[in-house]
Amino acid sequence: AQTVTQSQPEMSVQEAETVTLSCTYDTSESDYYLFWYKQPPSRQMILVIRQEAYKQQNATENRFSVNFQKAAKSFSLKISDSQLGDAAMYFCASTREGNTDKLIFGTGTRLQVFP
Amino acid sequence: GAVVSQHPSWVICKSGTSVKIECRSLDFQATTMFWYRQFPKQSLMLMATSNEGSKATYEQGVEKDKFLINHASLTLSTLTVTSAHPEDSSFYICSARDLASGRALDEQFFGPGTRLTVL
Repeated sequence: AQTVTQSQPEMSVQEAETVTLSCTYDTSESDYYLFWYKQPPSRQMILVIRQEAYKQQNATENRFSVNFQKAAKSFSLKISDSQLGDAAMYFCASTREGNTDKLIFGTGTRLQVFP
Repeated sequence: GAVVSQHPSWVICKSGTSVKIECRSLDFQATTMFWYRQFPKQSLMLMATSNEGSKATYEQGVEKDKFLINHASLTLSTLTVTSAHPEDSSFYICSARDLASGRALDEQFFGPGTRLTVL
């Protein structure tokens, strides 16, 4: 079965520092999409950043950027200048093989931000 | 824009009863909605895909007779948990896609979730 793996159940970072969350995935597709979602204590899923696999350039959204390594099937999220409001569960997700309508999620990384 | 709501936000019911959860796209038309289930401290698992005007498609292992899905309009999908049991207690999340807006076809907008507790 297709999987998305997040090997870090928990991470912590000092406010204003930088943290990187890891994600690896498997797929037989050449064209697919990858996402990072944030789930704060409210449980509302929020899209942080998305990457289209056919684009070589790494996606960036303000303080959030990704390191997309297609050959290695790696998709890490870097959060710069961490803020207290960044504390949440972060889920990596990939579109499913044969059906880009559907998403497969990793198990999540809980990020704590310390003042 | 692209707001999805769910109602109720939480519900407690007795074992054997049925519970209906609504998912609404507030400012766009959603031809496709998705229903997920999330157990505590676990990931989201897709249960079914709901298409407006047609039958839902269920993921392997999900009982379609237990989790009834109706997508009667372009802004509303409902999930009914029939004859609920304690093992059905979970967090249920819906998401929706907005195909008409020109946004990326793959982007899903999530509702805030519904916590179901079956006693």
